[in-house]
Amino acid sequence: DAKTTQPNSMESNEEEPVHLPCNHSTISGTDYIHWYRQLPSQGPEYVIHGLTSNVNNRMASLAIAEDRKSSTLILHRATLRDAAVYYCTRRTGANSKLTFGKGITLSVRP
Amino acid sequence: EAQVTQNPRYLITVTGKKLTVTCSQNMNHEYMSWYRQDPGLGLRQIYYSMNVEVTDKGDVPEGYKVSRKEKRNFPLILESPSPNQTSLYFCASGRVANTGELFFGEGSRLTVL
Repeated sequence: DAKTTQPNSMESNEEEPVHLPCNHSTISGTDYIHWYRQLPSQGPEYVIHGLTSNVNNRMASLAIAEDRKSSTLILHRATLRDAAVYYCTRRTGANSKLTFGKGITLSVRP
Repeated sequence: EAQVTQNPRYLITVTGKKLTVTCSQNMNHEYMSWYRQDPGLGLRQIYYSMNVEVTDKGDVPEGYKVSRKEKRNFPLILESPSPNQTSLYFCASGRVANTGELFFGEGSRLTVL
């Protein structure tokens, strides 16, 4: 089973950009890379996903390395509400599940 | 508003007393799934359903049952709960295609004494 590796935690200042890295060196060529986040006492929330090209949406940007062995979630201007655990994951297989690791705990300083 | 609704949100029960956690989605999604979240173990899939009357085991199905009689509902049944089923449970729904996002409920915190 392909694994993802993320730092345990990161800190950021409010209104500054945040780059959250993820290594997924064994991901298959057809697996989409997904990012979710989980705020305290809430269920995981979808952030963004992509296959090969960089992706943008209203929440964030996703930069995928050319060899697909790593990706970076970019929050362009961190807010206090962005403090959460961020999971880099993939959705794959017959059971279509998301495999969650421990995630990155992002703290945002005012 | 698109949402996945779970009930109850909190429950304390005793060993052996059957309980059902309901899950309902209003997005006409084919795919639904149950996860449990435990400290240090992350989220693990319990059961999933690709469509009505189609269900299958995930990674940790022991002690649980599910049914999918209607597209919108996917209840999780604990026939004889035990303390090791004390956990935070999440229901999720989405399109069948693996490219799509999953929508999660707010969670049901279950304590079995």
